[in-house]
Amino acid sequence: AQTVTQSQPEMSVQEAETVTLSCTYDTSESDYYLFWYKQPPSRQMILVIRQEAYKQQNATENRFSVNFQKAAKSFSLKISDSQLGDAAMYFCAYRTYIILTGGGNKLTFGTGTQLKVEL
Amino acid sequence: KAGVTQTPRYLIKTRGQQVTLSCSPISGHRSVSWYQQTPGQGLQFLFEYFSETQRNKGNFPGRFSGRQFSNSRSEMNVSTLELGDSALYLCASSLGAGGSDTQYFGPGTRLTVL
Repeated sequence: AQTVTQSQPEMSVQEAETVTLSCTYDTSESDYYLFWYKQPPSRQMILVIRQEAYKQQNATENRFSVNFQKAAKSFSLKISDSQLGDAAMYFCAYRTYIILTGGGNKLTFGTGTQLKVEL
Repeated sequence: KAGVTQTPRYLIKTRGQQVTLSCSPISGHRSVSWYQQTPGQGLQFLFEYFSETQRNKGNFPGRFSGRQFSNSRSEMNVSTLELGDSALYLCASSLGAGGSDTQYFGPGTRLTVL
């Protein structure tokens, strides 16, 4: 079974600064997807960024980028130019690539990192 | 395009009762997954439905069940409610069976069991 670990329960960052959230995972599969989701106080889960394991290039979405280290099974999220609206709980998630074995769309989540953005 | 909708948004029940939660996926999406979120256990996968068939099920007791209709709308039912069932129940929809599809989440249903 796959596991996802987020070792930082809380992080703080000053507005306009850069912060990196850590995530490690364990799997025996070679192909899979990794995601970062954001959950603000409204509790609506919002996709931030996704990475396909077979792609060596790190995904980037505006101010959000990842550092994907497949051999180390590490998937960190970097937020540049942090804004007050970035304050939220961030979840790292894993999804198998193997559809036929029934893995389908099941996401395995980490425990989350609460990000605070300070003025 | 409208997002994933969940009804009701809030529910208060007492132990022993049963409850039904509803999820309407994004138009055109055929997969619906359900998750339970609690402070103690975090986010846990309940089950997934695709084209009216349950494809995957998490490690939850049989009191938790679900179904999907031909229009892809899904319901989940919890019978004989326990205090520990108090949680935020999240529904997510995606276009197809997995692979490169992205899942989009609804706002959740907050269930409180007294």
